[in-house]
Amino acid sequence: KAGVTQTPRYLIKTRGQQVTLSCSPISGHRSVSWYQQTPGQGLQFLFEYFSETQRNKGNFPGRFSGRQFSNSRSEMNVSTLELGDSALYLCASSPTRWRGDSYNEQVFGPGTRLTVL
Amino acid sequence: AQSVTQLDSHVSVSEGTPVLLRCNYSSSYSPSLFWYVQHPNKGLQLLLKYTSAATLVKGINGFEAEFKKSETSFHLTKPSAHMSDAAEYFCVVTLRTGNQFYFGTGTSLTVIP
Repeated sequence: KAGVTQTPRYLIKTRGQQVTLSCSPISGHRSVSWYQQTPGQGLQFLFEYFSETQRNKGNFPGRFSGRQFSNSRSEMNVSTLELGDSALYLCASSPTRWRGDSYNEQVFGPGTRLTVL
Repeated sequence: AQSVTQLDSHVSVSEGTPVLLRCNYSSSYSPSLFWYVQHPNKGLQLLLKYTSAATLVKGINGFEAEFKKSETSFHLTKPSAHMSDAAEYFCVVTLRTGNQFYFGTGTSLTVIP
């Protein structure tokens, strides 16, 4: 069973540019969440998509956006990049969020390492 | 409000000795709790999950955690550390009424040969 895949794995951009990151969830998983991981702030929730709808959003500026396609694949976009956007961006998927007695665990991809120069 | 506090940012143990990584949570409702591990330059891997079915949860690689509601704790333990256990460990809480995972700041585990 293939895991969560993220492309590209590494990315170098300059300030002011925009970037699009892609995430393919595990087959059958309909929920996709995005996280930003930095040494200073740790793991921070960006947003979650379920059946092509954004269900929840973290405390990030509007430069961060995302979408989900009908096949559950998801993309996140960061516009007008800033130096502080340098981070590991992690995508996680789960079949549904709630299964009757608890939340499903999320399965994480390897991440995309974004460096902004 | 909900959050998790990992009480130690770094823990060092000798190979073969017990591991204890501490996590306290704050939650207004019944939580779901997880422990994830992250090896260098890798994504996060689920170690174990508390679902309210049993307070003592067994996970992969010999890890286990006990949910203690009275102490609002979910500490991770392992009887004997192995060199391959060296990694970053994250405690995570989510709620039945919430929509997102809340991560602790992580505990870096070093295993000394």
